[in-house]
Amino acid sequence: SQQGEEDPQALSIQEGENATMNCSYKTSINNLQWYRQNSGRGLVHLILIRSNEREKHSGRLRVTLDTSKKSSSLLITASRAADTASYFCATDRQGAQKLVFGQGTRLTINP
Amino acid sequence: NAGVMQNPRHLVRRRGQEARLRCSPMKGHSHVYWYRQLPEEGLKFMVYLQKENIIDESGMPKERFSAEFPKEGPSILRIQQVVRGDSAAYFCASSLDYKETQYFGPGTRLLVL
Repeated sequence: SQQGEEDPQALSIQEGENATMNCSYKTSINNLQWYRQNSGRGLVHLILIRSNEREKHSGRLRVTLDTSKKSSSLLITASRAADTASYFCATDRQGAQKLVFGQGTRLTINP
Repeated sequence: NAGVMQNPRHLVRRRGQEARLRCSPMKGHSHVYWYRQLPEEGLKFMVYLQKENIIDESGMPKERFSAEFPKEGPSILRIQQVVRGDSAAYFCASSLDYKETQYFGPGTRLLVL
């Protein structure tokens, strides 16, 4: 079964608002990563958070990780039209190198 | 420093033909991963290779699919006797070490007619 599952599946907000996406997973992990994918394009790495970290920031991005709840959230502040994309969380389990992706959240920023 | 390169970007094959997808990792990266993405879905792991070695092929279909990463040259994902269900985007990623961030290429979109 899917290791990572994003919630919501789709999110539509107005430009300037904040967007929050959640990811849940099932097994112990080494790292959790968030990627962005524009329609029909490749994946862009956004941020990596290790299992011993609780929060990480990068520009307008804020990622939290709660290993007790096996969940993570990605917050994009002051959203822009260019943030319109699908966002995926990916986990790698202890002892394995492959990434396990969720189904993604499709984010639409309305001007 | 160029990113991960994949070619071709688009590939059209008829049922029964062979598809060869190439991936050149980022400079200095010796770990390569292949993933497949069906429409409207997340990526699914296929295979993890280091130079001349297949480390984990747990996501590879048992038949028709093979992968290699030779000492010289790009990594190749080969699909023999393609079927319509093979139509998907195939992404390659590379990393500096097995615990490090995986950087993805632009993908090859395979369409089987």
